[in-house]
Amino acid sequence: SAVISQKPSRDICQRGTSLTIQCQVDSQVTMMFWYRQQPGQSLTLIATANQGSEATYESGFVIDKFPISRPNLTFSTLTVSNMSPEDSSIYLCSVSTGTVNFFGPGTRLTVL
Amino acid sequence: AQKVTQAQTEISVVEKEDVTLDCVYETRDTTYYLFWYKQPPSGELVFLIRRNSFDEQNEISGRYSWNFQKSTSSFNFTITASQVVDSAVYFCALSRRISGNTGKLIFGQGTTLQVKP
Repeated sequence: SAVISQKPSRDICQRGTSLTIQCQVDSQVTMMFWYRQQPGQSLTLIATANQGSEATYESGFVIDKFPISRPNLTFSTLTVSNMSPEDSSIYLCSVSTGTVNFFGPGTRLTVL
Repeated sequence: AQKVTQAQTEISVVEKEDVTLDCVYETRDTTYYLFWYKQPPSGELVFLIRRNSFDEQNEISGRYSWNFQKSTSSFNFTITASQVVDSAVYFCALSRRISGNTGKLIFGQGTTLQVKP
């Protein structure tokens, strides 16, 4: 298994500002992912965080809005840039251990 | 393209009833993985099961059982003798098999299960 922590656990931000979310895993993993879960909705993949190279974004998500860093095999950050109320969601970090995908506890973001 | 459909948006049962959550998937891949996750009101995603596409054996774990039918592209989840603690949102998900490993997950819309005492 993998133990995943995220910081912050929640935040309330003003429109137009940016927030960086950190994801730390207790073991080295090859594949890390960032998901968004809008209120009452399912999980939508934002991007795959690639170690040492640019993230791979899903359709509808762009690097300027959601820049991602992955400096090593245990850590990644997701920034939500120039936020608007529509960005209010839970953001979840996930990893593949090869056999199972585990999820962090999520970061609950509210944009006013 | 890959797609997962959970047609049941909400299900309400009385405690001790059996309940089946449906999951239908679409993929062009010949090998893939299927998952079920539970999201209780606290919000964390709890892994329940992973099934390989080449393993169609049904699985039972306590009150939980899963029925995988490749012919109908379905991976249904049954809770026997439901309990109030089973109340949660349940997600079915699909992943490609990448060099034998799981990859990114595509999720269904989720089914909200309410178990009343």
